[in-house]
Amino acid sequence: KQEVTQIPAALSVPEGENLVLNCSFTDSAIYNLQWFRQDPGKGLTSLLLIQSSQREQTSGRLNASLDKSSGRSTLYIAASQPGDSATYLCALPLGNTPLVFGKGTRLSVIA
Amino acid sequence: KAGVTQTPRYLIKTRGQQVTLSCSPISGHRSVSWYQQTPGQGLQFLFEYFSETQRNKGNFPGRFSGRQFSNSRSEMNVSTLELGDSALYLCASSLLAGFQETQYFGPGTRLLVL
Repeated sequence: KQEVTQIPAALSVPEGENLVLNCSFTDSAIYNLQWFRQDPGKGLTSLLLIQSSQREQTSGRLNASLDKSSGRSTLYIAASQPGDSATYLCALPLGNTPLVFGKGTRLSVIA
Repeated sequence: KAGVTQTPRYLIKTRGQQVTLSCSPISGHRSVSWYQQTPGQGLQFLFEYFSETQRNKGNFPGRFSGRQFSNSRSEMNVSTLELGDSALYLCASSLLAGFQETQYFGPGTRLLVL
């Protein structure tokens, strides 16, 4: 059974710091992996989708990498800002389930 | 292009009642999926619809049901509500069914069961 783990569960950093969020999965036979952002009490915003054939994707200050062989993905946030404070979730398809989610990393960026 | 919309945004019900939630996907999207989010269990898959057909269903009791209309709008229904059904219910739409597509989520419906 595919399990998705995100470490750490919470992270607090000062503004301007570069940071890395981790996502690990147990089954390396994946099709793609998607990173989302969720603000408190709100829906999910898609940040990046990495296909299994890709090693990384970039969008602005965000860079996501994928290493299928080790079952890991990382989300790199450069020059963090207070507006980046949110919960970050990774998710990937499993069997007939469109998305299986990790529990997320709650990020606080302190001004 | 308008995003995914969900109505109502908030609901308060009592145990034993039933509830219907609505989701309108992004224009042109034909796939709609539903998820339940709770603090303890996180995000869990409920069901997926494509072209009015349920393609997949998560591990939820039969009290949870859904349907999709010809305009791709979807509804989910929960009958005989229990306290544990209190959650944020999210729907997501994508252009096609399956897992190759980016999923776009709505703002969710927060259900409180008293």
